[in-house]
Amino acid sequence: EPEVTQTPSHQVTQMGQEVILRCVPISNHLYFYWYRQILGQKVEFLVSFYNNEISEKSEIFDDQFSVERPDGSNFTLKIRSTKLEDSAMYFCASSESGPYNEQFFGPGTRLTVL
Amino acid sequence: AQRVTQPEKLLSVFKGAPVELKCNYSYSGSPELFWYVQYSRQRLQLLLRHISRESIKGFTADLNKGETSFHLKKPFAQEEDSAMYYCALSPGGSQGNLIFGKGTKLSVKP
Repeated sequence: EPEVTQTPSHQVTQMGQEVILRCVPISNHLYFYWYRQILGQKVEFLVSFYNNEISEKSEIFDDQFSVERPDGSNFTLKIRSTKLEDSAMYFCASSESGPYNEQFFGPGTRLTVL
Repeated sequence: AQRVTQPEKLLSVFKGAPVELKCNYSYSGSPELFWYVQYSRQRLQLLLRHISRESIKGFTADLNKGETSFHLKKPFAQEEDSAMYYCALSPGGSQGNLIFGKGTKLSVKP
């Protein structure tokens, strides 16, 4: 059964460094999402992506964040200059047909900012 | 403001007992509501959604617009139901972004 994959599973970085989190959505899916979960808190929506552009973003998704679909398979989240408070689990999700449909989640990348 | 509230952090029941995981939402329009589940060491996955009106693994959820609730119920809990359960809302007109509650950890004891 196809699954969303994410790499790396754990990323440790120094404050101020750039990180790129990678996701490979399910191949025939058209809608892509990033969420994050700070330890002990709720899963929070960051951004949705459709037709090669951002369709929605939350207040969390400020200028430090960017997303890209550089080829037909990868979907990346870049954090330009990491802060301590960016430490969280980052989940990628994809959906075949978007609104109100099932989102398939990846296993997550744990980002630790020191 | 759009918000999903799951008042119980932990719910512990015995096998065979009924279980109800509470979810209340705050949203002025017509949301779509979901329950997602995360079993131990597994990824987050959809359990059920309001629009499908289905029963999955014996679980059902009814949308009560008057009480703005979407509680998850199962008449007889099984040990394999032990997991983290998240209620989520997708605002009408959105591209599907989900607003999650904090989750309820269900523990079913033998």
